[in-house]
Amino acid sequence: DIQMTQSPSTLSASVGDRVTITCRASQSISSWLAWYQQKPGKAPKLLIYKASSLESGVPSRFSGSGSGTEFTLTISSLQPDDFATYYCQQYNSYSTFGPGTKVDIK
Amino acid sequence: EVQLVESGGGLVQPGGSLRLSCAASGFTFSDHYMDWVRQAPGKGLEWVGRTRNKANSYTTEYAASVKGRFTISRDDSKNSLYLQMNSLKTEDTAVYYCARVYDSSGYYYDYWGQGTLVTVSS
Repeated sequence: DIQMTQSPSTLSASVGDRVTITCRASQSISSWLAWYQQKPGKAPKLLIYKASSLESGVPSRFSGSGSGTEFTLTISSLQPDDFATYYCQQYNSYSTFGPGTKVDIK
Repeated sequence: EVQLVESGGGLVQPGGSLRLSCAASGFTFSDHYMDWVRQAPGKGLEWVGRTRNKANSYTTEYAASVKGRFTISRDDSKNSLYLQMNSLKTEDTAVYYCARVYDSSGYYYDYWGQGTLVTVSS
């Protein structure tokens, strides 16, 4: 089974900050990685697929990069609506999620 | 508009059974693989299992944690997805989401339901 890790587990930031979240896979997953945003009591929302492709309707301040085993999600200028928990998901072999990164207000 | 609406959650005793449903609309349900994903209270997301489409013989896959206890099925004539959960354990307590798999070019989830809470407790 492919294991996913994320760092940091919690990130405190201010509006306007550049934020980077890292996701690592236990083996190569090529570019088969997605990122989701989840707010309390809500279903996850797709942000990025195939490591770097922006889902339609998602603001361009979100970007993804990486391949193989190391990936990053970057928010170029954090907005009030972006305080949430972010999950990566590998879909190279079935589906596995990272443990999540909570972005909260500094 | 794509919609996924789960139902059937509730309180059940350990060892009991429950059947969840997911009603789909706004897209050609029969074309898509569909997954169940769960989230224990205050925890992260966990893949539960998958049903493929008719073109792929409706085959299913399961996470090790539920294999042999849970069964995923679908009724394309009713645009519905199901999760039969037997021999439930307290650790199965979670919000259960149905999620649409995009397509064969990417097995990520472009649409999710709102979730239904299953509580396993005596």
